[in-house]
Amino acid sequence: DAGITQSPRYKITETGRQVTLMCHQTWSHSYMFWYRQDLGHGLRLIYYSAAADITDKGEVPDGYVVSRSKTENFPLTLESATRSQTSVYFCASSQTAGETQYFGPGTRLLVL
Amino acid sequence: AQSVTQLGSHVSVSEGALVLLRCNYSSSVPPYLFWYVQYPNQGLQLLLKYTSAATLVKGINGFEAEFKKSETSFHLTKPSAHMSDAAEYFCAVSDQRGRRALTFGSGTRLQVQP
Repeated sequence: DAGITQSPRYKITETGRQVTLMCHQTWSHSYMFWYRQDLGHGLRLIYYSAAADITDKGEVPDGYVVSRSKTENFPLTLESATRSQTSVYFCASSQTAGETQYFGPGTRLLVL
Repeated sequence: AQSVTQLGSHVSVSEGALVLLRCNYSSSVPPYLFWYVQYPNQGLQLLLKYTSAATLVKGINGFEAEFKKSETSFHLTKPSAHMSDAAEYFCAVSDQRGRRALTFGSGTRLQVQP
């Protein structure tokens, strides 16, 4: 039972570089989400996807790009990383938008 | 629009004492409400959820929460704290029509003193 996995778990990069964070789920859930977690802000939604090839912006989408060509994968790309994107990133999935979300273990990203 | 307010970013209790973590929500439609727990360096795990059945919801690890519509609250309680309960707790809301993603509160870090 793999569930939902994220890779890499830890990443250090430099300002201006492109970084892609991967998310994979084995439940065939329709919805997938990307959040960032920062001290004092809780979890903030970056992007979400209702199905393959359907994505929509969340609360803090600037500087991020997503795609969803297959139901099970939902990669998040930082096209040109900035220090303000240093954070912990969580992927989640659910069968519907308002129902229980299941979270991956997170990716800690440090942008120098 | 929907929002969640968690009162108290840090709560400290003694082992064996009552745990009370507060959550108030606002939602223009009947809500689904959730409590998640996050242990250090891990993702979030569901503790319990309210989906308009019983107003008192029992979750894992002895936690429960009561939905009070008149107070727009969904406070989390546990009668007797254990050291293993030390973690961060997040309250979240969505609307029952399922058209929106969850909106999370800013979290409450629970410390349990021996």
